[in-house]
Amino acid sequence: DTGVSQDPRHKITKRGQNVTFRCDPISEHNRLYWYRQTLGQGPEFLTYFQNEAQLEKSRLLSDRFSAERPKGSFSTLEIQRTEQGDSAMYLCASSLAGGHEKLFFGSGTQLSVL
Amino acid sequence: SQQGEEDPQALSIQEGENATMNCSYKTSINNLQWYRQNSGRGLVHLILIRSNEREKHSGRLRVTLDTSKKSSSLLITASRAADTASYFCATDKGGQNFVFGPGTRLSVLP
Repeated sequence: DTGVSQDPRHKITKRGQNVTFRCDPISEHNRLYWYRQTLGQGPEFLTYFQNEAQLEKSRLLSDRFSAERPKGSFSTLEIQRTEQGDSAMYLCASSLAGGHEKLFFGSGTQLSVL
Repeated sequence: SQQGEEDPQALSIQEGENATMNCSYKTSINNLQWYRQNSGRGLVHLILIRSNEREKHSGRLRVTLDTSKKSSSLLITASRAADTASYFCATDKGGQNFVFGPGTRLSVLP
C-alpha cells in the first residue's frame, strides 16, 4: 500500500504527558500537511512542509506543538504537556507541488487526553 | 475561522434519490475542492474546480461554482447507501493553506 500512513491510530494519554505522532506520506510527494479535526467539524490546518522546510504554521499551533520533517520524507508532530482540549483526530496529508494539487489523507491518529 | 460553510449540516435521503450540498465561502479563491470522509477515517478527494470553471462532472458527481455568489454545490445523483459519509468543501487562495468547512453529513437509507 503506497498511501499516507499514520502511527499510532489511537493514543490515550494523561494530561501533562507528551505525545508524538508519525506520518509517512506518499513517497514522491514533497508537501506534507498536518490538520486537527474535532467531532462534527472540518479539519483545521496546523502546519505544512515543502520537503524539509516548514513553510506555514497556524496560530492554532501553540508553543506546546512542534512538527518536524527532518529528511523531507516522514514527519512527526509532538504535543508537550497535553491538555484535555488537545483531544482530537490528527490528520496528515501529502501532495505533489506544482499545480492544482489534491490532498491525500492518512486515516489519522485519534488522541484522547484524560 | 473556517472559510467554507456547507449547507445543510445534515441530509437524509432514500437510495436512488439525488443529494445536493452547498458550500459558501468568504474571500476570493483559486480552487475549490470537495472531499468525502467516512466515519473515523481520513478524507478522500472527490473533485476540484478552478475559479475560472463553472461546472465539472465526475461519474455521478456534478460540481458547480459561482464566484460572484462565492458558492459551490455538489450534486450526487442516484445515491447509494455507500455514499453515506461527511462531505467537505475546501478552498485555497493560492497559498497552501487549504481551508475546510464544517461539512455536510449525508445519510442514504436503503
